Amino acid sequence: EPEVTQTPSHQVTQMGQEVILRCVPISNHLYFYWYRQILGQKVEFLVSFYNNEISEKSEIFDDQFSVERPDGSNFTLKIRSTKLEDSAMYFCASESGGAGTDTQYFGPGTRLTVL
Amino acid sequence: AQKVTQAQTEISVVEKEDVTLDCVYETRDTTYYLFWYKQPPSGELVFLIRRNSFDEQNEISGRYSWNFQKSTSSFNFTITASQVVDSAVYFCALSFPDTGRRALTFGSGTRLQVQP
Repeated sequence: EPEVTQTPSHQVTQMGQEVILRCVPISNHLYFYWYRQILGQKVEFLVSFYNNEISEKSEIFDDQFSVERPDGSNFTLKIRSTKLEDSAMYFCASESGGAGTDTQYFGPGTRLTVL
Repeated sequence: AQKVTQAQTEISVVEKEDVTLDCVYETRDTTYYLFWYKQPPSGELVFLIRRNSFDEQNEISGRYSWNFQKSTSSFNFTITASQVVDSAVYFCALSFPDTGRRALTFGSGTRLQVQP
């Protein structure tokens, strides 16, 4: 069964460093998402991406964040200058976008630890 | 603005008990989708069910059943004869794909502990 994959599973970085989180969405899906979950809290939407551009973003997704689909398979989230409060689990999700199939399937997550 | 409330922070039951997880949502939109996701201790988010606002039929899938009531803005989830493997955090979520707002708004989750 097709699934969303994410790398790395765990990333440790120093405050102020740039990190890139990688995701491979399900093949033929058209919508891509990033969410984050601070430990013990609810899942929060960051950004959605469709047709090579951002379609929605939340207040959390400020200028420190960017997303890119550099090729036909990868979808990346870059955090330019990490802060302690960026420590969280980051989930990628994809959705086919076809009629009646509005379901987002999530990857296993990348745990980001900022020291 | 939309909101999803899961008032039960944590529920503990003994195996084979039935348990209902509550979800109440707020929206002024007439078209929306509701979801349940499971987050086991391993951390991934597993899709369980999607329901659109025009379909108020209850659904049963094995030991799982869902009760959607627009009149009370609720979408509750019942596990019958719970098992230890059901131990997880369960999230209810809401989205509006028909109006281009596909982002999921999650509730704060309910942690279910099933004791052997």
